[in-house]
Amino acid sequence: DVKVTQSSRYLVKRTGEKVFLECVQDMDHENMFWYRQDPGLGLRLIYFSYDVKMKEKGDIPEGYSVSREKKERFSLILESASTNQTSMYLCASSPPHVGGYTFGSGTRLTVV
Amino acid sequence: RKEVEQDPGPFNVPEGATVAFNCTYSNSASQSFFWYRQDCRKEPKLLMSVYSSGNEDGRFTAQLNRASQYISLLIRDSKLSDSATYLCVVNIGGAAGNKLTFGGGTRVLVKP
Repeated sequence: DVKVTQSSRYLVKRTGEKVFLECVQDMDHENMFWYRQDPGLGLRLIYFSYDVKMKEKGDIPEGYSVSREKKERFSLILESASTNQTSMYLCASSPPHVGGYTFGSGTRLTVV
Repeated sequence: RKEVEQDPGPFNVPEGATVAFNCTYSNSASQSFFWYRQDCRKEPKLLMSVYSSGNEDGRFTAQLNRASQYISLLIRDSKLSDSATYLCVVNIGGAAGNKLTFGGGTRVLVKP
C-alpha cells in the first residue's frame, strides 16, 4: 500500500511564526499536492508538484510556499502564520496518469 | 459558481435502504470523474472512478451524464459503516494535468 506520511497530526503555532509541514510518500510518485480543508469550503488546492524542484500554484497559494528537493518529500511552508491559516492540511501523492490520489492523515494546524 | 457542487446533506438513511445523490460540475471539458469517501476526522480515500458507461462496485453504482454535467452515486442495501461524507471529484485534463477539483461533500448517515 502507498503510504503518505505527514509529520504532525496536531500543531499549535503563534501568529507570525514560520511553519513547516512535512509530507513523505514511499511509492516513488511523481505528483504531490497540498490541500487545506475547511468546513463549508471543502478541499482547496494550495500548491502541487509534478517533479523534483518543480512547483505550481493551486487555487489559494497566497501566504504559502513549497519545497520539493527530493522526489519523496513535499514541504508546505507558512512564511508568517496567521489565524486565518488555522485549518486541516492534507498532503496527497499520485502516479503520473490521472487517477486516485493517496492522502496523508492530515495535520490540524491551529494558529493562535 | 463552484466548479463542483454537491448537496451537503445530511442524507439520513435507514439501514438496508437505498440512497442516491448527485454532483454537478461546471466545466464541460472535464474528463475524469471520481467518488471519494471521507470518514469523520480522517483523510479522503478513493471509492471508485466514474466511467462514461456507468460502473458498479458491489453495492455502489456510479453514473455519468455528460449532457447535463452531473455524476451520481447510488448505495444499495446501506450499512451502518457507509456513514461518511462522499466527495465528488473532477479532473478537467489538458493544462490541468493530474490536478483534481473536489466538491464540498455529501454527508450520509445510516441509522439502525
